Amino acid sequence: GENVEQHPSTLSVQEGDSAVIKCTYSDSASNYFPWYKQELGKRPQLIIDIRSNVGEKKDQRIAVTLNKTAKHFSLHITETQPEDSAVYFCAASNTNRDDKIIFGKGTRLHILP
Amino acid sequence: GAGVSQSPSNKVTEKGKDVELRCDPISGHTALYWYRQSLGQGLEFLIYFQGNSAPDKSGLPSDRFSAERTGGSVSTLTIQRTQQEDSAVYLCASSLAGLAGGQETQYFGPGTRLLVL
Repeated sequence: GENVEQHPSTLSVQEGDSAVIKCTYSDSASNYFPWYKQELGKRPQLIIDIRSNVGEKKDQRIAVTLNKTAKHFSLHITETQPEDSAVYFCAASNTNRDDKIIFGKGTRLHILP
Repeated sequence: GAGVSQSPSNKVTEKGKDVELRCDPISGHTALYWYRQSLGQGLEFLIYFQGNSAPDKSGLPSDRFSAERTGGSVSTLTIQRTQQEDSAVYLCASSLAGLAGGQETQYFGPGTRLLVL
């Protein structure tokens, strides 16, 4: 089955700097890659996703890139703000098979003042 | 509209007792998922229901765990003979699912925090 690895487990960046979280997946048939943000004590919420037919997607300060050949994808947050502090989860799914999503173990992002 | 709801929000039980956790998905969502999140850990997949298909139980950690989804809506996760290592937050999510794009987004409930003493 699918296995998703996520790095780093913890990341601290200065406010205003950029943050990058990287994930790899094992199933070459995976075609859908969502990213979820979980603030302390709250439920995970989708922030952005990308499908295998595109290499990059951007939404304001966040962007995701996908390298299908290498089976890795990344989340980029620019001009980080205090409210970006949270745990971020990457995930992968093969929507041609089913809608089961396999999550990475998460990255705890700290934005330093 | 109403999101995914779960009950109870917190549950404290004694080792060896059975517990039932409930999930009410968003109306019309055909897919329902259960995850377990231990303190500071990731989202561990437990079980997945899609419409009337047989559930994907591949993530259930032991035969003490089971889940049902009645009428394609409400789901109950049951843990029998609870152990201390079962202590975690149990999250439920639902999605519209289907083969068309844009329906895979999972919407999470607030979770049930289970503590086994």
